[in-house]
Amino acid sequence: EVQLLESGGGLVQPGGSLRLSCAASGFTFSTYAMSWVRQAPGKGLESVSTICGSNSNTYYADSVKGRFTVSRDNSKNTLVLQINSLRAGDTAIYYCAKHGRDTCYSRLDYWGQGTLVTVSS
Amino acid sequence: DVVMTQSPDSLAVSLGERATINCKSSQNIIDSSNNKNYLAWYQQKPGQPPKLLIYWASTRESGVPDRFSGSGSGTDFTLTISSLQAEDVAVYFCQQYYNIPFTFGPGTKVDFK
Repeated sequence: EVQLLESGGGLVQPGGSLRLSCAASGFTFSTYAMSWVRQAPGKGLESVSTICGSNSNTYYADSVKGRFTVSRDNSKNTLVLQINSLRAGDTAIYYCAKHGRDTCYSRLDYWGQGTLVTVSS
Repeated sequence: DVVMTQSPDSLAVSLGERATINCKSSQNIIDSSNNKNYLAWYQQKPGQPPKLLIYWASTRESGVPDRFSGSGSGTDFTLTISSLQAEDVAVYFCQQYYNIPFTFGPGTKVDFK
């Protein structure tokens, strides 16, 4: 059974940093692309970062480019999102999601329960 | 970026009746090399993460009831729930995965009439 478990969210002041983790199990982690998708309270879905499977190419939304860094540790089946210079607009639930294939150009077939990031002074 | 729009914003349907949601992309999201539309549909219930229903515009994910169907090609797509059940009350999102950044529609809320 595929499981994705996010952690690392919390309350942080503007300008602060957080490190979000996603522990994956139930599939061969290294062979699938992975994404972080966020959802502000009561709002829609925004794909913030994607890392491909085979070549580990990374992509970022313009709104987070230069502040967020995605990485994966295939030996630990873990996806990480380092988020710096946090702003109020980054307040959201952050979901870890698995792609259906190793290519980034694939659907998101499994999602974690999400971790809440709140940016406030 | 590919902009995804959905209509209506919300709809109320009687139990057992048909619900139809439309999704439009600002540019073609079909790959002519494989004739596949890079379009997925997700269902999100309150307090839960999104769940994949449909991909390649019309392929039902394993375990999804056959009352859910997807259609369309190019820039115009439709999600149909043929006979609304109580558990189908949710928000439905379309997403294109043809161009990075992968973008979602704003969502359509489906409720009972």
